[in-house]
Amino acid sequence: EAQVTQNPRYLITVTGKKLTVTCSQNMNHEYMSWYRQDPGLGLRQIYYSMNVEVTDKGDVPEGYKVSRKEKRNFPLILESPSPNQTSLYFCASSLWVTEENTDTQYFGPGTRLTVL
Amino acid sequence: TQLLEQSPQFLSIQEGENLTVYCNSSSVFSSLQWYRQEPGEGPVLLVTVVTGGEVKKLKRLTFQFGDARKDSSLHITAAQPGDTGLYLCAGARGQNFVFGPGTRLSVLP
Repeated sequence: EAQVTQNPRYLITVTGKKLTVTCSQNMNHEYMSWYRQDPGLGLRQIYYSMNVEVTDKGDVPEGYKVSRKEKRNFPLILESPSPNQTSLYFCASSLWVTEENTDTQYFGPGTRLTVL
Repeated sequence: TQLLEQSPQFLSIQEGENLTVYCNSSSVFSSLQWYRQEPGEGPVLLVTVVTGGEVKKLKRLTFQFGDARKDSSLHITAAQPGDTGLYLCAGARGQNFVFGPGTRLSVLP
């Protein structure tokens, strides 16, 4: 089944304890992206990747890191989490995205992160 | 400050009514997408509009992209309880996507 998977689905942690949220897609998509969703603000893009070893900042990259060493995986790293990073996180992938148009973005099920 | 505004924020209607949801911005986008999100799940793409003035229909849903590619609307005809959900618009600026805050629609039987 074609899908985007995220792990863990729920995570409660404490301030400053490094964590990684994994994202994997089995559709051979080139484009992958991370978003956070907060009430009243919608989804905000954190980082995106056009292909292996190509990553770029979205609108809210502070406090986050990403890597794209393999096409299927795009982990989100929080080196020193803080309470303002408590949020619902979504990973997404798309076959292609160009300057003029975009193919369908498929979203994972979400990871609910609480930082105490 | 939201780059993309959506109105209304909340909408509760009776089954069979028509409704329109708006997505507005002062920025130009290369394309605009509409998604629907159910509780506990990720957004699911409904449509992508690319050309200014473009109109797309998906059964009872009609999507329109403004001539200047800054705004869009979603019209639902004869709403059904299954249409209940959070409707999100997203504008593409190249490879960067900006989402609106969403319209939460509730269709009562």
